[in-house]
Amino acid sequence: AAGVIQSPRHLIKEKRETATLKCYPIPRHDTVYWYQQGPGQDPQFLISFYEKMQSDKGSIPDRFSAQQFSDYHSELNMSSLELGDSALYFCASSLAGIDTQYFGPGTRLTVL
Amino acid sequence: AQSVTQLDSQVPVFEEAPVELRCNYSSSVSVYLFWYVQYPNQGLQLLLKYLSGSTLVKGINGFEAEFNKSQTSFHLRKPSVHISDTAEYFCAVSDRHNTDKLIFGTGTRLQVFP
Repeated sequence: AAGVIQSPRHLIKEKRETATLKCYPIPRHDTVYWYQQGPGQDPQFLISFYEKMQSDKGSIPDRFSAQQFSDYHSELNMSSLELGDSALYFCASSLAGIDTQYFGPGTRLTVL
Repeated sequence: AQSVTQLDSQVPVFEEAPVELRCNYSSSVSVYLFWYVQYPNQGLQLLLKYLSGSTLVKGINGFEAEFNKSQTSFHLRKPSVHISDTAEYFCAVSDRHNTDKLIFGTGTRLQVFP
């Protein structure tokens, strides 16, 4: 079965640069979630979208923004990168009304 | 608000032994409960979930968990582990009425030795 696709899988950036992470949900899933997992930590919820509208917001820095497009894929834009932004970024998707989130393999962002 | 406590950061066990990974949660509202597994350098895979109904939930790879409302626990068990079960295990909760946000515990590292 098709799973959540994230690209790129690995990304290396310098401080103060910008990064864009992409997420392609499971076909027919209309809800997308973003999580950040720091080294040795549990995943932390950043933001979610349902039908292209932001549905909930967690501990997402103001330097980060995200959106969901008409084909339901989502992009997480990160500006003015800091060393502390180095983490594994997960995208998950679900179908509205179905309460299980399915996670992608993650994008490992390293900020040097 | 919800919170999740995984009491054991690491659980070492020999192959074919039984294992229990503990999870307790705190919430002022009704919750859904999940266990996810993360293998090295991989994403999170759903092991099992409790939404309603029978409090004993069976998942993939021979794992099961029991929801205990009075003790606010959702412990994960497997009667006989394999080397391949070595991974990080995360317990998570979400509000039944706002399922957008999964709140994760800090994880338990299961290390299976031959």
